Amino acid sequence: GQNIDQPTEMTATEGAIVQINCTYQTSGFNGLFWYQQHAGEAPTFLSYNVLDGLEEKGRFSSFLSRSKGYSYLLLKELQMKDSASYLCAVRLHNTNAGKSTFGDGTTLTVKP
Amino acid sequence: NAGVTQTPKFQVLKTGQSMTLQCAQDMNHEYMSWYRQDPGMGLRLIHYSVGAGITDQGEVPNGYNVSRSTTEDFPLRLLSAAPSQTSVYFCASSLVSGSSHEQYFGPGTRLTVT
Repeated sequence: GQNIDQPTEMTATEGAIVQINCTYQTSGFNGLFWYQQHAGEAPTFLSYNVLDGLEEKGRFSSFLSRSKGYSYLLLKELQMKDSASYLCAVRLHNTNAGKSTFGDGTTLTVKP
Repeated sequence: NAGVTQTPKFQVLKTGQSMTLQCAQDMNHEYMSWYRQDPGMGLRLIHYSVGAGITDQGEVPNGYNVSRSTTEDFPLRLLSAAPSQTSVYFCASSLVSGSSHEQYFGPGTRLTVT
C-alpha cells in the first residue's frame, strides 16, 4: 500500500513564505503531483516532479527527494487568494497519471 | 473547450434510491476517473477507465458502477444509495501517453443521502 502524510493545517501571513511538506512511503514510485483546491471548488494542477530537485513556477516551487520519500511545495510572496487546500498525490510506475493516490491535503490560511 | 463537465451540481437522495452522475470531457482524453472527497480528506479513487470499453476498480468501488461507451462520457451509477455515500464526487480526465501528466477535474457533484 501507500502512505502519504501532510500537515492538516497551516497559517501564514500575507507577503511571507510558506513550505508545505509531504512525505510518502510507497513501492514503485514514479512521480509526485501538487494540486491546489479552493473551498468548494475542484482541484487544479500545480506541479509534477519526477526527478530530484527543485522546480520553480513563478511564486510556487516544488521540491522532490526520491531517496527520502519527501516533497515540499514552497509558496512565496503569499497572497490572500493562496488560502486553499494543497494536495500531494503519488503516481506509481506503469500507471496513468490519473491513477494516483492523494494525501488528505493541507489547509493553508493566509492572514493579513 | 468546455473541459470536464459534471451534472448535476447538487443532489439529494433517499436511502435505497439509485441515480447516475454524469461526466463528459471534450479534450479527447483517453483516461477518465471518478473520485469521492469526504470533508477534510483527500480524493479517493472509485473507478477509472483507460479508454472506451475499458473500466477498472479503484480504492473504494463498492456500491458504484461505471461504463465507458464513448471517449467523451463516463457516467457513475449509484446502485442503492446509502448515507455513507454522502460526499462530493469529482470526475477527472487526462491523457494516457505523452508528457502532459496533469488531471483535469470537473466542478464536482455534491451528493447528500438521507
